[in-house]
Amino acid sequence: GENVEQHPSTLSVQEGDSAVIKCTYSDSASNYFPWYKQELGKRPQLIIDIRSNVGEKKDQRIAVTLNKTAKHFSLHITETQPEDSAVYFCAASYPGGFKTIFGAGTRLFVKA
Amino acid sequence: EAQVTQNPRYLITVTGKKLTVTCSQNMNHEYMSWYRQDPGLGLRQIYYSMNVEVTDKGDVPEGYKVSRKEKRNFPLILESPSPNQTSLYFCASSSTKPSTDTQYFGPGTRLTVL
Repeated sequence: GENVEQHPSTLSVQEGDSAVIKCTYSDSASNYFPWYKQELGKRPQLIIDIRSNVGEKKDQRIAVTLNKTAKHFSLHITETQPEDSAVYFCAASYPGGFKTIFGAGTRLFVKA
Repeated sequence: EAQVTQNPRYLITVTGKKLTVTCSQNMNHEYMSWYRQDPGLGLRQIYYSMNVEVTDKGDVPEGYKVSRKEKRNFPLILESPSPNQTSLYFCASSSTKPSTDTQYFGPGTRLTVL
């Protein structure tokens, strides 16, 4: 079945540094890749997404890249701040699909 | 205010005692879904609904039931809860299917089955 692998499971960076989280998906038909941020005790919230017809998307300090050939996509956070500390989930959906497959999550710590 | 609500937020129960977790959205969304979140496993889909009276299994449907009699409500039913269903549960909704539209999550329900 469909699978999404996410690495690393934990990431610790110094404030101001960049953070990169990587995901690999199994279903080559997947065409929509959202990223969610979940702060402690809160609900997951969409922070950025990318579709398979685009290679990169940016939103201020956050960017996502997609490599369809290798079936992997990555989240890049630049100039990290303590408020970026959270669990980040990648996910994949495929055309016509009603399922969303999530990665296991990455716990990001940003040290002040 | 556009939102997804869940009740209760916290529940401690005992094995075998039937329970229902309610989910409601006020955005007229067609699609609704239930997930469970466990440490190291991320979010796993239990059931989803494409519209009223249309539901289907996700990846971990065993031990759960759902119904979609009205567009706004999508309750999750545990007929005979067991300790392995102790988890954090999230309801989510989107305007249409999740491969097209953003999913909005409810606040979560933390369930403990003793």
